[in-house]
Amino acid sequence: EVQLVQSGAEVKKPGESLKISCKGSGSSFSTSWIAWVRQVPGKGLEWMGSIYPVDSDTTYSQAFHGQVTMSADKSVSTVFLQWTSLEASDTAIYFCARRGAAVAYGLQDWGQGTLVTVSS
Amino acid sequence: SSELTQPPSVSVSPGQTATITCSGDTLAKQTAYWYQQRPGQAPVLVLYKDIERPPGIPERFSGFSSGTIVRLIISEVQAEDEADYYCQSADRHTVFGGGTKLTVL
Repeated sequence: EVQLVQSGAEVKKPGESLKISCKGSGSSFSTSWIAWVRQVPGKGLEWMGSIYPVDSDTTYSQAFHGQVTMSADKSVSTVFLQWTSLEASDTAIYFCARRGAAVAYGLQDWGQGTLVTVSS
Repeated sequence: SSELTQPPSVSVSPGQTATITCSGDTLAKQTAYWYQQRPGQAPVLVLYKDIERPPGIPERFSGFSSGTIVRLIISEVQAEDEADYYCQSADRHTVFGGGTKLTVL
């Protein structure tokens, strides 16, 4: 099992930038695809995209492509999700999750979530 | 289409069996996963490869797959099973169903 620890809650204004993080423990982290999942309060789960920390290969959902940037620093087992200009509609909880080979690449381990609030 | 469709809600009395259905064309070719999300918590994987249980998931959780439909079956439902349940399929892109709220009456 890999533990995923996400950065703390953020309160931002529209137009501001933001970078949140997800740090993994255990050797499997960097050799696993890590997904970002958005959950607007009271709504369902939305896959945003995934990143492979070993080489920073990324794949984005069409809905989020160009809206956010995923990156990784494998030396510290951390992946990041970044916005250059936040909007109120970005208010949500953001989860990182690891695709585990032992469960046929389902999302086996999840971070605790980072609440991002965007309000003027 | 890559969409997955779930009923918004399912209600069941304690001790009975709850069945949550997920349908979508992608399920004919790709394996399905199911997640349980209790209020205020991160999701938890409860089934993978349509019918397999990860370690620690009770045997009461089982799955069924046929063509473009998969089902999550929870036998002998307990109060603690009250949660939102999401199906998911994945190839290079991941897709979630809209979620089903399971209410234990």
